Amino acid sequence: LAKTTQPISMDSYEGQEVNITCSHNNIATNDYITWYQQFPSQGPRFIIQGYKTKVTNEVASLFIPADRKSSTLSLPRVSLSDTAVYYCLAPSGNTPLVFGKGTRLSVIA
Amino acid sequence: GAVVSQHPSRVICKSGTSVKIECRSLDFQATTMFWYRQFPKQSLMLMATSNEGSKATYEQGVEKDKFLINHASLTLSTLTVTSAHPEDSSFYICSALDREWDPNEQYFGPGTRLTVT
Repeated sequence: LAKTTQPISMDSYEGQEVNITCSHNNIATNDYITWYQQFPSQGPRFIIQGYKTKVTNEVASLFIPADRKSSTLSLPRVSLSDTAVYYCLAPSGNTPLVFGKGTRLSVIA
Repeated sequence: GAVVSQHPSRVICKSGTSVKIECRSLDFQATTMFWYRQFPKQSLMLMATSNEGSKATYEQGVEKDKFLINHASLTLSTLTVTSAHPEDSSFYICSALDREWDPNEQYFGPGTRLTVT
């Protein structure tokens, strides 16, 4: 199970693009990179998952370089409602997810 | 996407009593469910892995006699906190795997806030 490291906190103004980078130096060949979002007193919500290069959905983009030792979650034009904790994980198949401390994003008006 | 529910969403109980928390997969069959605990301002901590029809696997430091887990069907797992104490007050979250859809994606329930007085 790859260990992940990400910034503890980030601040951003509304309307800006936010990029949160996560390092996972010992990621295994079969590991996917997955990001979750968690609001206070709620369960984590799946945002995006990728294996390599770039993945985009209606919520975010995920950039993964060729060596896969890091990944960047990109949130376009954040709003106040994007204030949350964002977790980067690299699960192996159907193993339980082990959460790190996550990145606490604060969006300021 | 798949939906996981938890019941109750909040519960307050007296010290020494037991509390049962239910985790249900509403539109898929979950052969594996996980139970997490989260204290304020902290990350989720895995407590145990629950497989349908077999005994749960507990993480180190989690008392299996205190946190009873039952996964009797493919859509329901329960966590019973026995003889609860104030230090058991926490946010309990379950997640479920839908192996037929995506073995890499886990779906989380909304959580249960337990307060022991």
